Amino acid sequence: DIQLTQSPSFLSASVGDRVTITCRASQGISSYLAWYQQKPGKAPKLLIYAASTLQSGVPSRFSGSGSGTEFTLTISSLQPEDFATYYCQQLNSYPREFTFGPGTKVDIK
Amino acid sequence: EVQLVESGGGLVQPGGSLRLSCAASGFTFSSYEMNWVRQAPGKGLEWVSYISSSGSTIYYADSVKGRFTISRDNAKNSLYLQMNSLRAEDTAVYYCARLPLPVSSAFDIWGQGTMVTVSS
Repeated sequence: DIQLTQSPSFLSASVGDRVTITCRASQGISSYLAWYQQKPGKAPKLLIYAASTLQSGVPSRFSGSGSGTEFTLTISSLQPEDFATYYCQQLNSYPREFTFGPGTKVDIK
Repeated sequence: EVQLVESGGGLVQPGGSLRLSCAASGFTFSSYEMNWVRQAPGKGLEWVSYISSSGSTIYYADSVKGRFTISRDNAKNSLYLQMNSLRAEDTAVYYCARLPLPVSSAFDIWGQGTMVTVSS
């Protein structure tokens, strides 16, 4: 089974800060990596898929990079609405077992 | 509007059963692979199960294998999760999520979730 780790698990930041979250896979997953944002009491929202493709309607301050086993999500200038928990997910083709990372909570400093 | 709406959650005793439903609208349901994802209170996301667009290919997380059954009815635009032998650790919000092809497109549409509580 493919395992995902995220770092940090929690970060405190200010509006306007540049924020980077890392996701590492236990084995190579090419570019089959997605990022989601979740706010309390809400369903997750897809931000990035295929490691670096921005989902339609997502602000351009979000970007993703990486391939193989190491991936990053970057928020170039943190906005008030970005305080949330972020999850990575691997979507290796077969078998269709789509593990999530443990999450990174972004809080207000 | 593209939408997924879950229903069927509630309070059930340990060892009991529950059937969740997910109603799809606004898109051609039969063209999409579908998934169930759950989230225990205060915890992270856990992928639970996958079903192909035709229903012919199914996968489960080890934590639910042998107890949960995923199915779909493309004529009714509906996805289901039959949950048997429920345990306290199955307590969670259950989401259905759409998976377009190619798989790398990820889970692009989610329902609002339905709460399942397993307790005596």
